[in-house]
Amino acid sequence: GGIITQTPKFLIGQEGQKLTLKCQQNFNHDTMYWYRQDSGKGLRLIYYSITENDLQKGDLSEGYDASREKKSSFSLTVTSAQKNEMAVFLCASSIREDTQYFGPGTRLLVL
Amino acid sequence: GEQVEQLPSILRVQEGSSASINCTYENSASNYFPWYKQEPGENPKLIIDIRSNMERKQTQGLIVLLDKKAKRFSLHITDTQPGDSAMYFCAASGAQGLTFGLGTRVSVFP
Repeated sequence: GGIITQTPKFLIGQEGQKLTLKCQQNFNHDTMYWYRQDSGKGLRLIYYSITENDLQKGDLSEGYDASREKKSSFSLTVTSAQKNEMAVFLCASSIREDTQYFGPGTRLLVL
Repeated sequence: GEQVEQLPSILRVQEGSSASINCTYENSASNYFPWYKQEPGENPKLIIDIRSNMERKQTQGLIVLLDKKAKRFSLHITDTQPGDSAMYFCAASGAQGLTFGLGTRVSVFP
């Protein structure tokens, strides 16, 4: 078994601020993902990475940057937080296109 | 295309009855179809999956069916209980990992 951790659990930011979310996994999975989930809605792919230092854009990449520093970690940066923005950011990992395991999420609120 | 359509978006069922969720996909190369359950404030958790070499899979009170010809797959929850109330997401494998449906909110009432 393994675990995915996301930090922070809650993130409160100011409009225009640059905010960084972190994700770590010890499954030894090659592929990692960042999704955004708005309240009561589905999962939208922001970025994914198939190996260390690789980055692939998802449908929602505008306004975000990502970094895969090493196999076990994948960071997401909100480049300029939007006022009143509220969403959950979910990190996941998998072996290629197989089952994805999700972290507990980071809840973002922008004042 | 890699879209996955999931219906219905909301499903209310009486306790003890069955609940069915249907998904269709576009990518003929998809070969892996997981289902996730997400409870309020929690992350999505895998509950059952099926691969393209199977047409039917059952585990405990869950049945998944796959019709590759029609590019359709479905989840059936038998004998629903209050604990089955949650959001359910289907997904299909593709070039960007998994493409998710928009979810079905299942509510089980007494």
